[in-house]
Parts: sequence; structure tokens; C-alpha cells
Amino acid sequence: QVQLVQSGSELKKPGASVKVSCKASGYTFTSYAMNWVRQAPGQGLEWMGWINTNTGNPTYAQGFTGRFVFSLDTSVSTAYLQISSLKAEDTAVYYCARVDIRDGDYFDLWGRGTLVTVSS
Amino acid sequence: SYELTQPLSVSVALGQTARITCGGNNIGSKNVHWYQQKPGQAPVLVIYRDSNRPSGIPERFSGSNSGNTATLTISRAQAGDEADYYCQVWDSSTGGVFGGGTKLTVL
Repeated sequence: QVQLVQSGSELKKPGASVKVSCKASGYTFTSYAMNWVRQAPGQGLEWMGWINTNTGNPTYAQGFTGRFVFSLDTSVSTAYLQISSLKAEDTAVYYCARVDIRDGDYFDLWGRGTLVTVSS
Repeated sequence: SYELTQPLSVSVALGQTARITCGGNNIGSKNVHWYQQKPGQAPVLVIYRDSNRPSGIPERFSGSNSGNTATLTISRAQAGDEADYYCQVWDSSTGGVFGGGTKLTVL
């Protein structure tokens, strides 16, 4: 079954770090780039950037540089999003979504999302 | 950076046709994609590259794109179509860009 399975909800204190995972199955992992999308409570979708699953090269959208890191473990077909120095405004659902690495420009498969709550 | 503008809300009577617009500068020159998101769920692709339906999406969903406006059309609207709808393009300098989203209410 073609799917992206994300890790469970996280509750973190301000200043801590969190690492969200996104495990792909049912397709060739390196045929699709992995993107990350944020959705703050009651808000819209915000593209965070993507990582090339062939080269491991990440690209970050404006506003997601510095504290945000995309990484891969291709041996287990898994992408990761790490956020450091967490702030209350990082509270959101984080989705992984794939894009065809050859010529894709749309997200045809999404994970179910990981809720990250930052609160003291 | 490239921006997409959607109405905050659209209402449609049961069984009628809903049209959700997505505005952007010369958006007709770009590929536009549409996602449906129901409460508590992940987005689902309903239209890609202006007017193509993924497998499993009803024919009632269609799309068009010209000039400065792209449109998602939902024919014979059903209660199950109530959701937030987002348009999206890929911009060469910005990357992925989403519209602000439109809440569809079926009356």
C-alpha cells in the first residue's frame, strides 16, 4: 500500500527540539522528493521546503531557515523534520507530502500529519 | 514572491454547482493544483495541472485556468463536499505556494 506514515504527536517545552519522521512505503522512495508543509491551528497550508531523496540536498522556504532541518535515512525510506529552539508559534500540524522528482509540481500523497505542541 | 488569492468562503445549495476561484498574476501560465481538506484530516489532491482528476476523484470535480484566475468547479454538490479547498502552484523562485484556502459550505 502506497502511504506515508508519520510519527505521533509531540508535546515540547519552549527551547527544546523535536524530530518528526515520515516513513514511505509501497513505492520507490528515491523517485519522489519529500516536502514538508505546516498548518498552524485554524490556519492554512504553508510550504516549508523539500529534500531531494536522491542527493539529500534540502531546500528551505523563506521563514524556515536556521532552526529547521530536513534529513533522510534512505535505508528505511524515511524523511525527517527536525526543529530546534522551539517556540510557541511552532505549534502546528506538520505534514510530509511527496512530489515526483522528475517533473512534479504537485503533492499527490500526504502523510496524516504530526501535531507538535509547544507549551511550558 | 508569488501570491494566490482565494475567497474565504463559498456557499452552495445541495445539488447545485460551486465555483471556487484562485487569483494570481498571470496564473494561466502556471500549472494549478487543488486540494480538499476535511476537518482533522490531511489534504487530498482533487485536481492537478489545471484540469486533471486523480484516480478516485469524482467527475463532479473539474478545473480550469486562464488569465489571472483558476477555478475549481464542483457540480451537483453533496454534503460530503463540505471542506476547505486550497489551490497551489509551483513558482520558480518561491517554490511551493498555496492559496489561503476557501471554506465550502453546502446548504
